[in-house]
Amino acid sequence: TQLLEQSPQFLSIQEGENLTVYCNSSSVFSSLQWYRQEPGEGPVLLVTVVTGGEVKKLKRLTFQFGDARKDSSLHITAAQPGDTGLYLCAGVTGANNLFFGTGTRLTVIP
Amino acid sequence: GAVVSQHPSRVICKSGTSVKIECRSLDFQATTMFWYRQFPKKSLMLMATSNEGSKATYEQGVEKDKFLINHASLTLSTLTVTSAHPEDSSFYICSARDRVTGKAQYFGPGTRLLVL
Repeated sequence: TQLLEQSPQFLSIQEGENLTVYCNSSSVFSSLQWYRQEPGEGPVLLVTVVTGGEVKKLKRLTFQFGDARKDSSLHITAAQPGDTGLYLCAGVTGANNLFFGTGTRLTVIP
Repeated sequence: GAVVSQHPSRVICKSGTSVKIECRSLDFQATTMFWYRQFPKKSLMLMATSNEGSKATYEQGVEKDKFLINHASLTLSTLTVTSAHPEDSSFYICSARDRVTGKAQYFGPGTRLLVL
């Protein structure tokens, strides 16, 4: 089982603030995905990063894959209450299996 | 496209009974489906990988005789929690890998199980 640690575990910020969530592992992954999950629902894929050093932007969200493909970060600019949720990174192995990170629960206060 | 459904969405059962959860890929075929368990405020933990027409592969620590998985067709996998106990109460989520692309996994909406 691959272990992916996310930090912080919990984050509560005011609307308009910026934040960064980190996902770290000692394992190398062929790609890494970020999901957001609402209570009582399944996770929804936000992005997949494949190449070491790759940066992808999705509106106010910026995702980066580490050069060694062991870690990743998610940066949210000017957070909105609608960004509230559980953010999960997931490493994809060569066999195309997913291993989820420990999760970061974000609360954006209006 | 790429919709995965789960049934039921919520289930409450008595301790000692068995509960079956269905996972269906609605608009694509899935040779591989995955079952995850998620405890409150925790991440998803992979329980088993279900391959159509063959036995499931269970992760370490998951009892195969307690969590029976059947993947009888390219669009349906079932998870049966046998002799359920309160500690089995959890949120069970399935995902399905598109047979054509072989890479993307699509997640179901989850099933909330409460064992009394």
